[in-house]
Amino acid sequence: GENVEQHPSTLSVQEGDSAVIKCTYSDSASNYFPWYKQELGKGPQLIIDIRSNVGEKKDQRIAVTLNKTAKHFSLHITETQPEDSAVYFCAASKGTSYGKLTFGQGTILTVHP
Amino acid sequence: KAGVTQTPRYLIKTRGQQVTLSCSPISGHRSVSWYQQTPGQGLQFLFEYFSETQRNKGNFPGRFSGRQFSNSRSEMNVSTLELGDSALYLCASSLGSSGSIQETQYFGPGTRLLVL
Repeated sequence: GENVEQHPSTLSVQEGDSAVIKCTYSDSASNYFPWYKQELGKGPQLIIDIRSNVGEKKDQRIAVTLNKTAKHFSLHITETQPEDSAVYFCAASKGTSYGKLTFGQGTILTVHP
Repeated sequence: KAGVTQTPRYLIKTRGQQVTLSCSPISGHRSVSWYQQTPGQGLQFLFEYFSETQRNKGNFPGRFSGRQFSNSRSEMNVSTLELGDSALYLCASSLGSSGSIQETQYFGPGTRLLVL
């Protein structure tokens, strides 16, 4: 089955710096890659997603890039703010998965004021 | 529009008991997926329901079961609870379709289950 590896497990940055989180997946048939942010006591919240027919997608300070050949995708957060501190999860899926997202192990991002 | 709701939010049970968790999807969403989140194993897929039918199932023992009602609300049941079942149980809803495109999933706040 699909396997998703996520790095780093923890990331500490200063406010205003950029943060990058990387994921690799194993199933070349995967074609949907969402990123979720989870704050303490809450469920995961979708922050951005990308499909395999697109190489890059941006939404204000957040961007995701996808390299299908390398089976690798990354989350980029620019101008980080303390409220960006949370656990971030990448996930992969394919159309025939019917609801199944395979998640990475998560990255604890801490933004210091 | 209201988000995904889950009840109860917290639950304490003892080994051997059974538990039922409830999930109400976003209005208009017909697909409900369930996940187990633990510190050791992370987020793991349990099963997905669409139009009252289970379409996909993860690698969990038969003690874990679910169902979906005609109004798309879903329940999951865990029988003969074990200590290792302590986890945050999350449900997610999506529009749902019979097509092959993976749709965006929106998660609820989860039910925190503690098994003593």
